[in-house]
Amino acid sequence: GAGVSQSPSNKVTEKGKDVELRCDPISGHTALYWYRQSLGQGLEFLIYFQGNSAPDKSGLPSDRFSAERTGGSVSTLTIQRTQQEDSAVYLCASSLEPADRYNEQFFGPGTRLTVL
Amino acid sequence: GDSVTQMEGPVTLSEEAFLTINCTYTATGYPSLFWYVQYPGEGLQLLLKATKADDKGSNKGFEATYRKETTSFHLEKGSVQVSDSAVYFCALSNAGNMLTFGGGTRLMVKP
Repeated sequence: GAGVSQSPSNKVTEKGKDVELRCDPISGHTALYWYRQSLGQGLEFLIYFQGNSAPDKSGLPSDRFSAERTGGSVSTLTIQRTQQEDSAVYLCASSLEPADRYNEQFFGPGTRLTVL
Repeated sequence: GDSVTQMEGPVTLSEEAFLTINCTYTATGYPSLFWYVQYPGEGLQLLLKATKADDKGSNKGFEATYRKETTSFHLEKGSVQVSDSAVYFCALSNAGNMLTFGGGTRLMVKP
């Protein structure tokens, strides 16, 4: 079946602009995660959605970052007023319910964001 | 908070050599441990996992044993191939469910 898909695959933007990154999880996966992979910080957790529960936003680096998940499926990560340090590969992952420490997370190919 | 430390790379080996990539962790409770692999130009994919102490995860000739006494989850393979060249990430999942990753180790296997 189809895996996790993300769009766009590449995004180049100017400093100060807003960007939206999209993630389509695997059908039937109720848990969805966003991570960021950057040269300086490695792979770091950003935000986690589980069903209808309030998202865990503990990894978001600043209030310029936000995410939503509509209808329990597609998710959009929004970065407002982008800065050069936001340049990174943004990865989305999904897993089966219940999302717990045992279940495999399936990763999408990522969106490479470059802020000029 | 939870953390994962793995050996820095790159690790360069000849084909058929023995591979060890060290990974240690700091965590409260009983985390699950994972190795993920990122092949050139591809996304992260799960290589193997172990969910409790003394469990051994294995896949594609790779193995790792969950050692609670030494808080380690070292990755091993008896005979590497050129196709194993990739970046390997050790990770843990704990009560919060998100993954905490190590810094990644690049493996280069030469024919």
